[in-house]
Formats: sequence, structure tokens, C-alpha cells
Amino acid sequence: QSVLTQPPSASGTPGQRVTISCSGSSSNIGINYVYWYQQVPGTAPKLLIYGNNQRPSGVPDRFSGSKSGTSASLAISGLRSEDEADYYCAAWDDSLSAVVFGGGTKLTVL
Amino acid sequence: QLQLQGSGPGLVKPSETLSLTCIVSGGFISSSGYYWGWIRQPPGKGLEWIGTIYYSGSTFYNPSLKSRITVSVDTSKNQFSLKLSSVTAADTAVYYCARHGTDGYNHPVGPDYWGQGTLVTVSS
Repeated sequence: QSVLTQPPSASGTPGQRVTISCSGSSSNIGINYVYWYQQVPGTAPKLLIYGNNQRPSGVPDRFSGSKSGTSASLAISGLRSEDEADYYCAAWDDSLSAVVFGGGTKLTVL
Repeated sequence: QLQLQGSGPGLVKPSETLSLTCIVSGGFISSSGYYWGWIRQPPGKGLEWIGTIYYSGSTFYNPSLKSRITVSVDTSKNQFSLKLSSVTAADTAVYYCARHGTDGYNHPVGPDYWGQGTLVTVSS
């Protein structure tokens, strides 16, 4: 049971816009920064979004992050086949004094 | 370019201690503003944060693993280590070492650089 809640799966067709949600609480997302990761099976996770909505150098602007209250979202526009991967959200949790991850969302490009 | 290289035994017997080391290159582990830590991923499952350490020795641990974890740092060798005691089959996972930034309260935040991962299997 993950502290942050994500849908187990999402899907879209090439060119579409998809969003992945991440639900938390007042002790994590509500007051701390959210991070998003992309993981292609068999490889290490890659940072996509930091500080709720900032993209590291090299991450396409098709990826965007947002936060409202105790929930956050990752949006992927202009979906491509190479976006098929697992996506995870993460945040610091003040009550646990720990970094917490969502359970992950498997994105399928149809 | 910062690189993290984890290493350690790929097979550990039940009840023994899992030991992994992560060597950092392309940067200094004693740089201020960064924690160094571990995340694991059981086969076919999601990511689980294990714990982090600052170069000064300050640590944060996953409450569910705290009693079995020790994370240490060796600034002279630019490396940090994980020890997980009394392992069971449930500890079988890919173990990633990673760099974490800090927030305004000196807490670790989501990792930015990750190592390639080390598969550790717990089996007799």
C-alpha cells in the first residue's frame, strides 16, 4: 500500500494528451515538492519533473507537471510510442520523515 | 557528468546481512545540498525508498525498514554504503543508489541521479 496513490494503468494513441494523477495528503504533496519519474522496464528511473513543474535539461516540453492541494498530475502531450513506460510520483512526507513514492502507472501507447 | 556505480553480492542467504556500496564519480559526495541514498524495486513491483545520508552523517530511514538498515558514508573514498540485516525473500529486489537534492528545510527530496541498479536475490 503506497502512501501516494496512482492509477495502475493509463493509455492513449499517438499524438494524444494523457494525464497521470498522484494523490497524497497534507503531510506530503500538500506541503512539499512533487517529483515524477519515467522508467522503461529493465532500466533505472529517469527524472522527468522536479519541484512540481520544472523539467530537467533534456526532458522534452511535451512533459509537464502540476499540483493542486494534495494532488499532482503529469501530463504528456503529443504522445509517442517511446513514451510507453512506467511513471512514478514521489514527495517528502513530513509525518513519516521519509521520501514516499506512488505505486506507479503503466502507460500503454495503443 | 555525475555517475553512481553500485556494487555488491548478487546472492545473500536468509537471515544474513545484505551489503552494497555505491561509488560516486564526476562529483563530490561532500558537496553541500545533497543526500545520498538507496531505493529498491522488487521484481515486477514499484519503487520503495530505503534511506539517505548527508556527508556529515545525518540520516533519514524508511520507518518500515529502520530497525534493519544502516547507511554510511566514506567521504575519503567518495562512496556510501547500505547494510540491511536479517534479510528474507521479501528483500529480493533491484537496489538503486541515487543522489537526492534538499528542500528548504534540509530534508531529502526526490532523487535526480540514479545508479544502474544491482539485483540482489535472497535465497539459500
